[in-house]
Amino acid sequence: QKEVEQDPGPLSVPEGAIVSLNCTYSNSAFQYFMWYRQYSRKGPELLMYTYSSGNKEDGRFTAQVDKSSKYISLFIRDSQPSDSATYLCAMSFNTGKLIFGQGTTLQVKP
Amino acid sequence: GAVVSQHPSRVICKSGTSVKIECRSLDFQATTMFWYRQFPKQSLMLMATSNEGSKATYEQGVEKDKFLINHASLTLSTLTVTSAHPEDSSFYICSARDSGRGSNQPQHFGDGTRLSIL
Repeated sequence: QKEVEQDPGPLSVPEGAIVSLNCTYSNSAFQYFMWYRQYSRKGPELLMYTYSSGNKEDGRFTAQVDKSSKYISLFIRDSQPSDSATYLCAMSFNTGKLIFGQGTTLQVKP
Repeated sequence: GAVVSQHPSRVICKSGTSVKIECRSLDFQATTMFWYRQFPKQSLMLMATSNEGSKATYEQGVEKDKFLINHASLTLSTLTVTSAHPEDSSFYICSARDSGRGSNQPQHFGDGTRLSIL
């Protein structure tokens, strides 16, 4: 079993839809949780960073962490074609080594 | 803020050539930088952790003599792929963490270097 599981998709939605991306993990010792967005042939861009259970909102993005269920989510409201990318969840024990999910490819159709 | 610059973005060279990739933190200091490798349609695989002023820590299965890492200053780490061969062709990405803002800072990534060995 992988430490971090993420459905690779692809996920295709119409413009304006609410997108839900999810990751599950097996190690309850993870302390920090991140979501990165990666466009083709580019490095990952940090979207959200949190270290506690609950919700964190930034513009159209909401990150949710449920440590009791070992489950994290990223919600994208009013999705745009420019949101089309691969979304990577990542987590770490102490902000050192990151453990990544496989990444979910998202396509938002105009 | 938190910009990481990686250079070059693309390298095409002959087998047997050594290739150096630079990773710079532009607006912050980073005592620790990380080097990743990414194959098509796969996630990032950590190769090594680069520590300023000391030896890098390599992940299991990564050849130290093949992938030389130097972190001589708080804003620059370099990865040298020595005597590169076609199987070394990949997308190499570095990341850095702002060491001046406390211990719980996230990693910020460069835009990667696409290496192609002919």
